[in-house]
Amino acid sequence: GEDVEQSLFLSVREGDSSVINCTYTDSSSTYLYWYKQEPGAGLQLLTYIFSNMDMKQDQRLTVLLNKKDKHLSLRIADTQTGDSAIYFCAESSTGGFKTIFGAGTRLFVKA
Amino acid sequence: DTGVSQDPRHKITKRGQNVTFRCDPISEHNRLYWYRQTLGQGPEFLTYFQNEAQLEKSRLLSDRFSAERPKGSFSTLEIQRTEQGDSAMYLCASSSGRDSSYNEQFFGPGTRLTVL
Repeated sequence: GEDVEQSLFLSVREGDSSVINCTYTDSSSTYLYWYKQEPGAGLQLLTYIFSNMDMKQDQRLTVLLNKKDKHLSLRIADTQTGDSAIYFCAESSTGGFKTIFGAGTRLFVKA
Repeated sequence: DTGVSQDPRHKITKRGQNVTFRCDPISEHNRLYWYRQTLGQGPEFLTYFQNEAQLEKSRLLSDRFSAERPKGSFSTLEIQRTEQGDSAMYLCASSSGRDSSYNEQFFGPGTRLTVL
């Protein structure tokens, strides 16, 4: 079945880069997403990548996709304390109304 | 505020009681989703509506759960005879459905259910 795996915690110093990794099992995944969840707030879509792309950059965010290994990563450059949150990797397939989420990576940013 | 709204934000109930949650999607969105999120986990898909039609239900959605979207706008999720294992955050999301593949879902703040 479909599964999305992420490491649970990441701690970085303010100003460093953060890299959050994710692996997925569904070879028919078409879109891969990164969502951010802050305490008391809803999930917010940060960025997404289509499966025929290798990389997508959006300001401080860089998404890398290795489709062969089914590995996705999110790099946050110049990490700030405001980036502390839980980051969820998710995938959906073509025509897919159903999005499968990982368990989330909790990012701690130390000042 | 034109985002997805959910009501109530918090619900505490006793085991065996019925509860109902409401979700109001973004007004022009024809797709609506319900998810359940437990502590330390990502959202788990429960069910999906395209307009008023419920097109898929997860196996997680037992017979005690029912969802409706009668006029293709707001939706309700009812849990009958609640159990302690139903304690979770219930999230609603909506998407426009204009593109059949790309599916950016906008999430509401969730309803936190505690079953005593």
